Amino acid sequence: KQEVTQIPAALSVPEGENLVLNCSFTDSAIYNLQWFRQDPGKGLTSLLLIQSSQREQTSGRLNASLDKSSGRSTLYIAASQPGDSATYLCAALHASGGSYIPTFGRGTSLIVHP
Amino acid sequence: EAQVTQNPRYLITVTGKKLTVTCSQNMNHEYMSWYRQDPGLGLRQIYYSMNVEVTDKGDVPEGYKVSRKEKRNFPLILESPSPNQTSLYFCATSHGSYNSPLHFGNGTRLTVT
Repeated sequence: KQEVTQIPAALSVPEGENLVLNCSFTDSAIYNLQWFRQDPGKGLTSLLLIQSSQREQTSGRLNASLDKSSGRSTLYIAASQPGDSATYLCAALHASGGSYIPTFGRGTSLIVHP
Repeated sequence: EAQVTQNPRYLITVTGKKLTVTCSQNMNHEYMSWYRQDPGLGLRQIYYSMNVEVTDKGDVPEGYKVSRKEKRNFPLILESPSPNQTSLYFCATSHGSYNSPLHFGNGTRLTVT
């Protein structure tokens, strides 16, 4: 069964730092890896989706990479801002019984302080 | 505007009183699913549906029912809610292919007393 782990579970950094969030998965036979942002009490907002054939995706200050063979993805946030404070979750999509099923990590809670 | 709409946003009820949480999407997505999110346990899938009249159990289906009579709607039914079903519930949808992103609703905060 696919398991997805996110490290660290929590992170507190001063504004302006570049930071890396990690996501690892046990079954490398994934179809894509998606990163989400969740604000407290709110739904998940999709940030980036990396297909299995891709190595990375970029959107503004965010860059996500994927290394299927090692079972790892990283989300890089450049020049962090207080508005980046949120929980970041990754989800690995794999096939199961004819369906495509996402498995989520438990998230990294990020606080960026001024 | 592409949307996944859940209702209600907040619900407080008593043990045993049947309730339904609705989920509707306007993106013609094939795949719809329900998750619950609890502190320390992350997101756990309850049920999912790959298309109309096709539903499958997720990791934690006990105590829940779903139906998919129309493509756009995927209601979550709690026939006899219990306090351990107090949670934050999310509906998520996608086209169901390997390269399609998941879209989430804003969540339903359910409290069962």
